[in-house]
Amino acid sequence: NAGVTQTPKFQVLKTGQSMTLQCAQDMNHEYMSWYRQDPGMGLRLIHYSVGAGITDQGEVPNGYNVSRSTTEDFPLRLLSAAPSQTSVYFCASSLGATGANYGYTFGSGTRLTVV
Amino acid sequence: AQSVTQLGSHVSVSEGALVLLRCNYSSSVPPYLFWYVQYPNQGLQLLLKYTSAATLVKGINGFEAEFKKSETSFHLTKPSAHMSDAAEYFCAVRGGGATNKLIFGTGTLLAVQP
Repeated sequence: NAGVTQTPKFQVLKTGQSMTLQCAQDMNHEYMSWYRQDPGMGLRLIHYSVGAGITDQGEVPNGYNVSRSTTEDFPLRLLSAAPSQTSVYFCASSLGATGANYGYTFGSGTRLTVV
Repeated sequence: AQSVTQLGSHVSVSEGALVLLRCNYSSSVPPYLFWYVQYPNQGLQLLLKYTSAATLVKGINGFEAEFKKSETSFHLTKPSAHMSDAAEYFCAVRGGGATNKLIFGTGTLLAVQP
């Protein structure tokens, strides 16, 4: 089925560990982004990409890296996990990189706990 | 910088009553505005969007929103609440610059009482 696929759905990490959250879309969307959702804070933009090979920082990029080697994939890397990174992470994509006629398609999220 | 403010983190209505969820925006350019809904343990789903066409926008599931420039508002309404409307609702505005970034509000959790 077409859409945004995030893996894993749940993850528990120890402080200092690293991991990669995967995001893949099969809709040929130019724009992809990562948000974190925390209670009372809504969704905050971590990183985004307007196409393969192009990424940029959002509101809360510290502690996270991204790359976009293909149109389909946009992984998010936690370099050294901290308890403050406990959150629900959402990947979202949009057909166009510019022009906000397009809404986002969201993945179902990754619930990350750092202990 | 672009931002949205959602008034009321929790709203409770009775089934069949009017739903009104408030969103005010701040934008240095003509805004593009969105409402999203999130059901428990799911991702966000687009309800409706305003992109400078008609000021009254109709969305899915009977929701609509009216863009009021003079009030910098984009409130979401539904005439008659249904139990299935219980969810969290997010207002969002397109961020500044040329890209399609969205800036989200903090969300409003809607409870529907029988």
